[in-house]
Amino acid sequence: AQSVTQPDARVTVSEGASLQLRCKYSYSATPYLFWYVQYPRQGLQLLLKYYSGDPVVQGVNSFEAEFSKSNSSFHLQKASVHWSDSAVYFCALSPSSNQGKLIFGQGTKLSIKP
Amino acid sequence: EAAVTQSPRNKVTVTGGNVTLSCRQTNSHNYMYWYRQDTGHGLRLIHYSYGAGNLQIGDVPDGYKATRTTQEDFFLLLELASPSQTSLYFCASSDAGHTNSDYTFGSGTRLLVI
Repeated sequence: AQSVTQPDARVTVSEGASLQLRCKYSYSATPYLFWYVQYPRQGLQLLLKYYSGDPVVQGVNSFEAEFSKSNSSFHLQKASVHWSDSAVYFCALSPSSNQGKLIFGQGTKLSIKP
Repeated sequence: EAAVTQSPRNKVTVTGGNVTLSCRQTNSHNYMYWYRQDTGHGLRLIHYSYGAGNLQIGDVPDGYKATRTTQEDFFLLLELASPSQTSLYFCASSDAGHTNSDYTFGSGTRLLVI
C-alpha cells in the first residue's frame, strides 16, 4: 500500500535556527515526491518536487529536500528559518503510474519562536 | 493568471441537508480533484475526474457524489450531509501525465454540518 508518514505533528524552532521536517514514504517503486506549504486560511502551495536525478532538490524560499531511496525518506530542510515560515507543511507522493493522484502525509505544523 | 476558484468559501448546513461545492479552473488542465482536509489525516482524495463527464472514485468517497460538467467545472455533492463531513474541502487541477505539470489548489471551502 502507498502511504506517507510525517512523524512530527508539531515542530517549534527559534528564528534563525536550522530546520528539518521529516517525511517517510511507502511505495514499491520510486515515486514522485512533493512538499507543499499551507499558510493560514490559504490553499496549498508547492515548495519543491522530486521526479528523478539529483536526490537533493532546491525549492522556493531557500527550502531544499533530500530523497533517499534506501531510507524511503524525503526530508525537508532549511538552513535558517524566518518567522514567516510559520505554516503547515505537507509531504505528498504521486505513484509513478500517475493518474495524478496525490497521497498526503498528516502534515507538520511549524511554529517559529522569536 | 491560471487559477482554481472554489465557492462558497464557508458553508453551514444541518444534518440531512443538501450541499453543493463548486470548483472552476482556468488552467486548461485535464484532471480535477476533490480532497478533504482533517487534522491528523492530511488531505484525502474523495473523487477525481480526467475530463468532462468522467468520474473516478478516490480513497474516501462514501457520502459524496461528484460531477464534471465541463473541462472547467467540477462539483462535489453531499445529498444527506452528516456531522462527519464537517471538514475543509480543497479542489485542485493538474495536467496529469506530464512530468512537469504542477497541481493548482483552490483556497478551500470550510463546511460545518450541525
